[in-house]
Amino acid sequence: DGGITQSPKYLFRKEGQNVTLSCEQNLNHDAMYWYRQDPGQGLRLIYYSQIVNDFQKGDIAEGYSVSREKKESFPLTVTSAQKNPTAFYLCASSIVARANSGNTIYFGEGSWLTVV
Amino acid sequence: AQSVAQPEDQVNVAEGNPLTVKCTYSVSGNPYLFWYVQYPNRGLQFLLKYITGDNLVKGSYGFEAEFNKSQTSFHLKKPSALVSDSALYFCAVRDIRGDYKLSFGAGTTVTVRA
Repeated sequence: DGGITQSPKYLFRKEGQNVTLSCEQNLNHDAMYWYRQDPGQGLRLIYYSQIVNDFQKGDIAEGYSVSREKKESFPLTVTSAQKNPTAFYLCASSIVARANSGNTIYFGEGSWLTVV
Repeated sequence: AQSVAQPEDQVNVAEGNPLTVKCTYSVSGNPYLFWYVQYPNRGLQFLLKYITGDNLVKGSYGFEAEFNKSQTSFHLKKPSALVSDSALYFCAVRDIRGDYKLSFGAGTTVTVRA
């Protein structure tokens, strides 16, 4: 089936540890995104990528890093610099990320990250 | 700047009754508007969008939304709610003259009682 696969579903991070969340899509979409979801705050954009080997910071990029070495993959690393990383992380993709486009963004099933 | 407001944190309706989830937006240009639904511990599922044309947009699972430019609103509606419609609903907006960002509202929790 075509779609966006996030793994793992649940991840626990110790203080001072970096962790990486995986996101893979087989929709042949050009653009990929990472959002963070906290209760009562909606979704906030962390990073996005329009094309391989290029990515841009979103609204809350501090403490996070990404790479886009393949069109299908957009992993997110939550570094020790992110002081409050406990949240639900959502990966998404769309055909293109042109500003004047009404293209729909589609989401994966999400990953829970908890600091222990 | 673009933003979305969902004025109700929660909406409670009886099964079979009409369901309305409110959304108002603010953009400097013209908007692209989206509705998504999220079930517990799941990702967001796309319901419908307004790009241009007919102000009444029909989407998945019997939902529809009406774009009202004068009131800057895009309310989600369903004529007859089901218990299975209980979920968290998000409205989102993108300014046609803006950048790539899709701005989300804080979400409205819908509970449909049997």
